[in-house]
Amino acid sequence: GQQVMQIPQYQHVQEGEDFTTYCNSSTTLSNIQWYKQRPGGHPVFLIQLVKSGEVKKQKRLTFQFGEAKKNSSLHITATQTTDVGTYFCAGPRMNYGGSQGNLIFGKGTKLSVKP
Amino acid sequence: DGGITQSPKYLFRKEGQNVTLSCEQNLNHDAMYWYRQDPGQGLRLIYYSQIVNDFQKGDIAEGYSVSREKKESFPLTVTSAQKNPTAFYLCASSTGPLRGNNSPLHFGNGTRLTVT
Repeated sequence: GQQVMQIPQYQHVQEGEDFTTYCNSSTTLSNIQWYKQRPGGHPVFLIQLVKSGEVKKQKRLTFQFGEAKKNSSLHITATQTTDVGTYFCAGPRMNYGGSQGNLIFGKGTKLSVKP
Repeated sequence: DGGITQSPKYLFRKEGQNVTLSCEQNLNHDAMYWYRQDPGQGLRLIYYSQIVNDFQKGDIAEGYSVSREKKESFPLTVTSAQKNPTAFYLCASSTGPLRGNNSPLHFGNGTRLTVT
């Protein structure tokens, strides 16, 4: 069945180091979304990528959507302690009637930052 | 302030009891969802509803039931048939498709259910 895989599962970095998480889909995606979940919190929407090869930036965060629209990455430059949390990618399910909001989530990458 | 309210934050039940988790939104969103999150796992879809009085099963609907009698409300009942009910339950909502693509999900704060 359709799968969305994320690597790594965990990443520990020193504050100031860069961080990247990768998302790979078993199917071509029409779009991909990224969410952040702080410890003890709920997922919060970060961004949506739609176009092949698209790159979007939010301050120190850079999001990329692959040319084949089957993979994506999130890169954080010079991590800060406020970046701590789990980052999830999500893409639309292919086997549900209508794709509105029916997302399949990766298992997430848990980022810890040592001050 | 618009948002999604889940209550309670923590819930404890004895095995064999049904329990209902509340989810209310005032975002005027048509679609609502229930996800389950277990440690180290992603979010797994339990049920979703795209319109009032209609809902569909997700990947792990067995042992759960829902209703959507009002646009604002999408309660989830965890029945005694659910074999492993202890988990973090997240309710979410979204508006219509954004130019043919998925609109973002807005999540509530979640309910942590413990069944012993």
